Amino acid sequence: DVKVTQSSRYLVKRTGEKVFLECVQDMDHENMFWYRQDPGLGLRLIYFSYDVKMKEKGDIPEGYSVSREKKERFSLILESASTNQTSMYLCASSQPGPGEQYFGPGTRLTVT
Amino acid sequence: GEDVEQSLFLSVREGDSSVINCTYTDSSSTYLYWYKQEPGAGLQLLTYIFSNMDMKQDQRLTVLLNKKDKHLSLRIADTQTGDSAIYFCAERGNYGGATNKLIFGTGTLLAVQP
Repeated sequence: DVKVTQSSRYLVKRTGEKVFLECVQDMDHENMFWYRQDPGLGLRLIYFSYDVKMKEKGDIPEGYSVSREKKERFSLILESASTNQTSMYLCASSQPGPGEQYFGPGTRLTVT
Repeated sequence: GEDVEQSLFLSVREGDSSVINCTYTDSSSTYLYWYKQEPGAGLQLLTYIFSNMDMKQDQRLTVLLNKKDKHLSLRIADTQTGDSAIYFCAERGNYGGATNKLIFGTGTLLAVQP
């Protein structure tokens, strides 16, 4: 059974804190993605990675960074959390090509 | 840039057919997808269609693609309360490289009334 796991389902952080969101996949997928989901806006791509140590900016990378030191793990970092980063964060992985992106259950982050 | 649009909400009665619509702007789209998100969960792929196809059927699901109008629809026959979820349309353009970057729509909340 394919699996993408995220480190937390719910997270509450204070403004200015450094936040790490972890994602792990067990399918040996090349590609990994971080999205944020907001009502009425759908999913927006923050960053993606197509190989270890490789990363590319998505549509809304400002305020975020990522790390991919191992193939199975892709981390999203909020260097200094702000209230407008309160959102649902979804991680996904896939093989290259037109196939399915497999999603984790999401982390609901609240920044107060 | 690329854009994918959907209506935000659809309400149907149990047993009726549901039709969820999507429009996209990227004429180079190669694949188009329908994902389902149940409450508190991530997205799950329902089906996808290659851009040279007009229709794809999979049990209760029928996908219609009008490439000229850049319009995609998902029909769910005999809709059940378990079909209540958010449905996302997504398109994969011809971006090259090894990735399959998708552009997602805003999602349509389907509410099925018993």
